[in-house]
Amino acid sequence: SAVISQKPSRDICQRGTSLTIQCQVDSQVTMMFWYRQQPGQSLTLIATANQGSEATYESGFVIDKFPISRPNLTFSTLTVSNMSPEDSSIYLCSATGGNTEAFFGQGTRLTVV
Amino acid sequence: DAKTTQPTSMDCAEGRAANLPCNHSTISGNEYVYWYRQIHSQGPQYIIHGLKNNETNEMASLIITEDRKSSTLILPHATLRDTAVYYCIVRATGNTGKLIFGQGTTLQVKP
Repeated sequence: SAVISQKPSRDICQRGTSLTIQCQVDSQVTMMFWYRQQPGQSLTLIATANQGSEATYESGFVIDKFPISRPNLTFSTLTVSNMSPEDSSIYLCSATGGNTEAFFGQGTRLTVV
Repeated sequence: DAKTTQPTSMDCAEGRAANLPCNHSTISGNEYVYWYRQIHSQGPQYIIHGLKNNETNEMASLIITEDRKSSTLILPHATLRDTAVYYCIVRATGNTGKLIFGQGTTLQVKP
């Protein structure tokens, strides 16, 4: 089955800085998604990463804060901009394609200090 | 997509069947029931899905009531490695694949 690799796996960042998270799938997929999981909480969908066009954001999430790129069928990035401690979460990439149900990366554990 | 309701937590003895319920009373005719689980510090893992018939795979069985307003995920012989948060998700046919997660059920399998 397809595998998602996320980089970095974890990071500790200073408030006010930005972090870009990479998501690489080892096969072509149709759709890619980004989720946030705050401490002790369930997953919340941030956006759908669209190839070659602007991402589709869910309510409560905006492009200025979470710019997303998807230059091809296997790669996407999520940037968490101007970070504050409230952005401390696990960020997860997901993908789906063909007959494959949605699968997930292991996540990026972000701590903002 | 329809909303789901699950118990917050459940315990199960190792080797026994774990039966995890889910209510989805507002489910529409074109909506599937999906189950995922998230083991601590890992990404969610797909378990099984179904529309109206009962389904079984190597991981679990899914029993959907005839009116489709509720379902039960069955892990036939729970092991300690099955300790996880289990999410029941309703998703429409033709949906792009995005999943809306509820709070899930924390299953603790005990020796």
